[in-house]
Amino acid sequence: GPKVLQIPSHQIIDMGQMVTLNCDPVSNHLYFYWYKQILGQQMEFLVNFYNGKVMEKSKLFKDQFSVERPDGSYFTLKIQPTALEDSAVYFCASSSDWGGARRQNTLYFGAGTRLSVL
Amino acid sequence: GDSVTQTEGPVTLSEGTSLTVNCSYETKQYPTLFWYVQYPGEGPQLLFKVPKANEKGSNRGFEATYNKEATSFHLQKASVQESDSAVYYCALGDRTGGLSGKLTFGEGTQVTVIS
Repeated sequence: GPKVLQIPSHQIIDMGQMVTLNCDPVSNHLYFYWYKQILGQQMEFLVNFYNGKVMEKSKLFKDQFSVERPDGSYFTLKIQPTALEDSAVYFCASSSDWGGARRQNTLYFGAGTRLSVL
Repeated sequence: GDSVTQTEGPVTLSEGTSLTVNCSYETKQYPTLFWYVQYPGEGPQLLFKVPKANEKGSNRGFEATYNKEATSFHLQKASVQESDSAVYYCALGDRTGGLSGKLTFGEGTQVTVIS
């Protein structure tokens, strides 16, 4: 089936540094998402993105977070500066339309990037 | 806000036995309910979804019924195989504001099937 690729699979970084997580979404998809999962906890919605804009973000999406997809390349999540509490697995997802319940479209998830902030 | 609670893992069972993973939810809306499965080294993938109360979803021998009265969506399979070993996530999508792809997930249940 359709694949979402996330690069790298594991990133270790010192607190205060910048990190960029990369996501290669399904080729014809236009809607993109990031979810965060702290070890042992639920996956939680961070943000969605369409047509170059953030459409909705949760309270977990701090001011230090930003997303972009320049020129149809990777969809990226940037954290600057990183904090200890940013350690988590970050899942990228994409869909061909809004993945909401009403339209019943499917979100396709990547395998995640495990971010360790030291 | 919305919440989803599911069977606490890990769950270990023998091949050929039956599996039930409980899922309960809380929401003030009228959600679509989902089961996602995550195999080792992969991302979560949709197992099936049910948009309407009192309807059943199924795929690969798994099934769940959207029980609005009990606010439950329990996953069942009559006879599991080793290949069913995975993490199973119950999730809900808000229908009213639900054009955003914002799903509320449970914590996931690690299921291991031994031969």
